Amino acid sequence: GALVYQYPRRTICKSGTSMRMECQAVGFQATSVAWYRQSPQKTFELIALSTVNSAIKYEQNFTQEKFPISHPNLSFSSMTVLNAYLEDRGLYLCGAREGKDTQYFGPGTRLLVL
Amino acid sequence: GDSVTQTEGLVTLTEGLPVMLNCTYQTAYSTFLFWYVQHLNEAPKLLLKSSTDNKRTEHQGFHATLHKSSSSFHLQKSSAQLSDSALYYCALINSGTYQRFGTGTKLQVVP
Repeated sequence: GALVYQYPRRTICKSGTSMRMECQAVGFQATSVAWYRQSPQKTFELIALSTVNSAIKYEQNFTQEKFPISHPNLSFSSMTVLNAYLEDRGLYLCGAREGKDTQYFGPGTRLLVL
Repeated sequence: GDSVTQTEGLVTLTEGLPVMLNCTYQTAYSTFLFWYVQHLNEAPKLLLKSSTDNKRTEHQGFHATLHKSSSSFHLQKSSAQLSDSALYYCALINSGTYQRFGTGTKLQVVP
């Protein structure tokens, strides 16, 4: 079956530092990967959509300078939160998709910023 | 642009009563609709999905029917259980893009 793994599951970083999170698709080809953030008490906001062999599209309020994403092949994507501050805390979800319907979500990386 | 509107905030039900969480959407494209359930400190899990008009979809006691004429995909269950207490998100995905989530509805089932 189709599975999506995310690493780490939980991380703590000091304010102003950066952290990298990874997303791995198993059992299917992740032609597109969407990264979402769920801030405390909020819904899931799309950060960016990455499609292999295409430019990464960032949503308003999210930039490549803050959330650089790498999507080098059909099974892996990573995103870094640069210069993290309190407002960056939350659950970061990777949603990988093959084709045009179901997006498979990983378990998320929970980021705490001290 | 695309949007998903859900029953807002908190819905409190007594155990055994029927559940209905509303979801309506707007999109210019043919689409899939989804319901996700998220328990505390966990990632969301897919509960139901559908792209077929007027076809009932069921899973784990929940069901929903996509009605394209009214742009709705309401989540229902005949009898609420305490373990159904969670956050529920309705989402849509349209061709070539990504999933857009509603704001979520917190369901609290009490004895």
